Amino acid sequence: DIQMTQSPSSLSASVGDRVTITCRASQGISNSLAWFQQKPGKAPKSLIYAASSLGSGVPSRFSATGSGTDFTLTISSLQPEDFATYYCQQYNSYPLTFGGGTKVEIK
Amino acid sequence: EVQLVESGGGLVQPGGSLRLSCAASGFTFSDHYMDWVRQAPGKGLEWVGRSTNKANSFPAFYAASVKGRFTVSRDDSKNSLYLQMNSLEIEDTAVYYCARTSGDWYFDLWGRGTLVTVSS
Repeated sequence: DIQMTQSPSSLSASVGDRVTITCRASQGISNSLAWFQQKPGKAPKSLIYAASSLGSGVPSRFSATGSGTDFTLTISSLQPEDFATYYCQQYNSYPLTFGGGTKVEIK
Repeated sequence: EVQLVESGGGLVQPGGSLRLSCAASGFTFSDHYMDWVRQAPGKGLEWVGRSTNKANSFPAFYAASVKGRFTVSRDDSKNSLYLQMNSLEIEDTAVYYCARTSGDWYFDLWGRGTLVTVSS
């Protein structure tokens, strides 16, 4: 199975800050990586697919890069509605696997 | 409206069975692979299983933690996805989400989830 490791597991940031979350796959997954945002009590929301493609309706302050084993999600200027937990997920091979999540909290 | 609506969750004893349903609307259900993803209380997301589509002769794929106990199926005439859960364990307690796989292979649409609680 491909293990997905996210870091950090949590971070505190202020509105307007630039935030970067990393995700590492235990083996190469090409660009078969998605990022999701989840708020408490809500379903996940798709942000990024194919490692760097912005999902429909996702604000342009979200961006992502990476290929192979190392990936990053960046929020260029953190907004109040961005405080949430973020997950990466590989869809290169079965079983599909998620990272452990990064909780972005208000500083 | 494009949406997925899960139902069928509830309280069940260890060793028991439960069948979840996911009703799809607003899109051509038969075109898409469909998945179940779960989230235990206070924990992260875990993929459970996938139903492929008619074009691929409907094979299903499962996480090791549920293989042999859970069965994913679909009825394209009813635009519905199902998850039959047998031999339930306390560790299966979670919110179960239905998710649509897009043409780009990622989960582009999620339901609101249904809570399954396994407890005596």
